[in-house]
Amino acid sequence: SAVISQKPSRDICQRGTSLTIQCQVDSQVTMMFWYRQQPGQSLTLIATANQGSEATYESGFVIDKFPISRPNLTFSTLTVSNMSPEDSSIYLCSVAQGPNTGELFFGEGSRLTVL
Amino acid sequence: GQSLEQPSEVTAVEGAIVQINCTYQTSGFYGLSWYQQHDGGAPTFLSYNALDGLEETGRFSSFLSRSDSYGYLLLQELQMKDSASYFCAVRVLNSGGYQKVTFGIGTKLQVIP
Repeated sequence: SAVISQKPSRDICQRGTSLTIQCQVDSQVTMMFWYRQQPGQSLTLIATANQGSEATYESGFVIDKFPISRPNLTFSTLTVSNMSPEDSSIYLCSVAQGPNTGELFFGEGSRLTVL
Repeated sequence: GQSLEQPSEVTAVEGAIVQINCTYQTSGFYGLSWYQQHDGGAPTFLSYNALDGLEETGRFSSFLSRSDSYGYLLLQELQMKDSASYFCAVRVLNSGGYQKVTFGIGTKLQVIP
């Protein structure tokens, strides 16, 4: 199994600022994903972080708002740009260790509150 | 796109059996997964079905019927610690050829004494 470290675990941010969330995995993984989850709600996929190329975004999410980097097979960052209170949520990094596996491992999440 | 349906809440008695159903509509379907999430925690993987049939892991079993676009999670010998949210999720390959996993709304299971 993969061990995922995410930071920050939580933060309180001011409207209009940007915050970068880091995701470090203890092993090389094929797929990395970023999800968003409002408390008590489902997980919504923001994008797939592709190693060495631009991330693939889901409908409703754009690169200017959520730029993603993935410089290698163990690390990725998600930036939430120009934040508004609507961006208050839990952001989760997730990985799949192989292309044919249905199992995702999740980080503990980053709880962002935007004032 | 993908759509998944599962009950929003289920209540069951400690020691009993509970079944959580999931129906889905999607293209490029590869398999159905189940995840458990306790309040304040991260989702944890329970099971994955790529083929029709039943998969058993301890007290938990998961079933898939691809022809019916239907699956379920079966929890036996319920314990208080099983109180959590349970998500079904579909693994799909889209036209771009990459894998992604889409989650259902989640079923909040409450186990009562």
